[in-house]
Amino acid sequence: AQSVSQHNHHVILSEAASLELGCNYSYGGTVNLFWYVQYPGQHLQLLLKYFSGDPLVKGIKGFEAEFIKSKFSFNLRKPSVQWSDTAEYFCAVKEYDKIIFGKGTRLHILP
Amino acid sequence: NAGVTQTPKFQVLKTGQSMTLQCAQDMNHEYMSWYRQDPGMGLRLIHYSVGAGITDQGEVPNGYNVSRSTTEDFPLRLLSAAPSQTSVYFCASSYIEGNQRYGYTFGSGTRLTVV
Repeated sequence: AQSVSQHNHHVILSEAASLELGCNYSYGGTVNLFWYVQYPGQHLQLLLKYFSGDPLVKGIKGFEAEFIKSKFSFNLRKPSVQWSDTAEYFCAVKEYDKIIFGKGTRLHILP
Repeated sequence: NAGVTQTPKFQVLKTGQSMTLQCAQDMNHEYMSWYRQDPGMGLRLIHYSVGAGITDQGEVPNGYNVSRSTTEDFPLRLLSAAPSQTSVYFCASSYIEGNQRYGYTFGSGTRLTVV
């Protein structure tokens, strides 16, 4: 079965710093990949998704992710974070009828 | 268009009690699922449904039942609550286009405490 690994459980950055959150999935073939964000006290919201085509995917709020098939990776990036990006971020992969989530990365942005 | 609606938002149960968490969506999505979210564990799939009358188990189905009699509703039943079921429960739905399933729409969650 697919699994998703998120390398960083907790990340602390200052405002304007660049962000990269790692995500690896366990095996290849055709994959659908997602990044979700959960702001404190709220439900999950879709940031971006990859199904096919351009491996560099742009999402909402200035986030982007790059699908690298050879590395089984789908890392999330943002060039300059803001205090409002403080949240938990989840990478996910679709396997047949299910979407499997990673354990999440808590991001704290210092003002 | 309300999206995915979960009720209740908060619930406290005593060990051994049963209850049903409600989930309804008004987007005519075929696919619905239940996850539980626990600190450091991410989201774990409990049960899911690909359409009315069809349900299947996820990663952590024990202690939970589901049914899908209509497209709109996907209730989650706790048969005999245990403290290990203290968690935040999310319902999600999505639609299928071709052989793709697009990103989920999540409900706002139910925070359940079992004492």
